[in-house]
Amino acid sequence: DAGVTQSPTHLIKTRGQQVTLRCSPISGHKSVSWYQQVLGQGPQFIFQYYEKEERGRGNFPDRFSARQFPNYSSELNVNALLLGDSALYLCASSPGPGQYEQYFGPGTRLTVT
Amino acid sequence: DQQVKQNSPSLSVQEGRISILNCDYTNSMFDYFLWYKKYPAEGPTFLISISSIKDKNEDGRFTVFLNKSAKHLSLHIVPSQPGDSAVYFCAASRMAGANNLFFGTGTRLTVIP
Repeated sequence: DAGVTQSPTHLIKTRGQQVTLRCSPISGHKSVSWYQQVLGQGPQFIFQYYEKEERGRGNFPDRFSARQFPNYSSELNVNALLLGDSALYLCASSPGPGQYEQYFGPGTRLTVT
Repeated sequence: DQQVKQNSPSLSVQEGRISILNCDYTNSMFDYFLWYKKYPAEGPTFLISISSIKDKNEDGRFTVFLNKSAKHLSLHIVPSQPGDSAVYFCAASRMAGANNLFFGTGTRLTVIP
């Protein structure tokens, strides 16, 4: 079975631009979460979606937004990019609420110059 | 406010010996704990977990111990193998809300052949 997939693998953007990252969960998983990992730190929670509804949001500015589609795939959007947004963006899927184990994709490495 | 802490950034162990990775948490509302392993250029891989109603969970060479009174958990790997060399993240979650994961900063384990 395919695991969590993310695209693109790498991305270079300029300050002020906008970026869209994509994630496809494991087949049968209905919950998708997004995390940001900066160098030397653990992943930080950004959003969780279940059945297309936002179930949780971490401490990130409104420049960050996400959505989930009927096929449970998800997009993370970041507007007005800052240098500090440079990080590895990880997507994780789980069967649904109450399922603690989350399964991560390989991530998208975003560099903002 | 770091709610999950891994105070040892790195650990080196001889092949065949025991590796012990430690993790502390501050939020008494956490009721589930997980360990993830991460190789470079890959997403975190789920390793083992433990519910707060247990104090030990074992899976092959991996055992996780939970001491709720001390708000401390540890991961034991016996025997350690060179392929175990990776960054290990401790994570915690709670049933309420989005049950998103709170991660520590990671411990880099090096198993020396």
